[in-house]
Amino acid sequence: DAGVIQSPRHEVTEMGQEVTLRCKPISGHNSLFWYRQTMMRGLELLIYFNNNVPIDDSGMPEDRFSAKMPNASFSTLKIQPSEPRDSAVYFCASTLLAGGDTQYFGPGTRLTVL
Amino acid sequence: QQQVKQSPQSLIVQKGGISIINCAYENTAFDYFPWYQQFPGKGPALLIAIRPDVSEKKEGRFTISFNKSAKQFSLHIMDSQPGDSATYFCAASKGGSNYKLTFGKGTLLTVNP
Repeated sequence: DAGVIQSPRHEVTEMGQEVTLRCKPISGHNSLFWYRQTMMRGLELLIYFNNNVPIDDSGMPEDRFSAKMPNASFSTLKIQPSEPRDSAVYFCASTLLAGGDTQYFGPGTRLTVL
Repeated sequence: QQQVKQSPQSLIVQKGGISIINCAYENTAFDYFPWYQQFPGKGPALLIAIRPDVSEKKEGRFTISFNKSAKQFSLHIMDSQPGDSATYFCAASKGGSNYKLTFGKGTLLTVNP
């Protein structure tokens, strides 16, 4: 079975550019989470969706960050404009809304903003 | 405000030894406590999880001990192996895995051969 798929795996961009990270959750999962991981702050939840609807976006750091989930099999996290302090590894995770299951993490996207 | 505090930051253990990682939480509404294991370049993966209705859960060499009154829980790795070398994160949530997980800062475990 394919796990959570994220693309790109690595992204290097310059300050001010728009960055779009993509996630395909595990088929059948209806909860999707976006996390950011840095050495300083560890793993932080940015936003999560249930049945494609954003439930909690209190972790989104600024208006420069936005996330969408147009359907059950695809989500994007966009940063516009990007800044050097956005450099981090961004993870997507999915699980079943019914619970009793784990959050399955993707391999992550390593973002470097120069 | 850090709701889940994890210690130590790093741990070095000899092969065959016991690795112990501790976490403390503040929010008494938390009712699901997983441990995740992360290898370099990979996403975190669930190792073992516990709910507060039991004080201990064991899966193979991995055991979670839970102390509700002290608001603490710990991961014990028995007979530690070099392949266990990874970063371990504790986490907590209200309601389970389909809700917001609050993670500890992580512990880098190194098991020497």
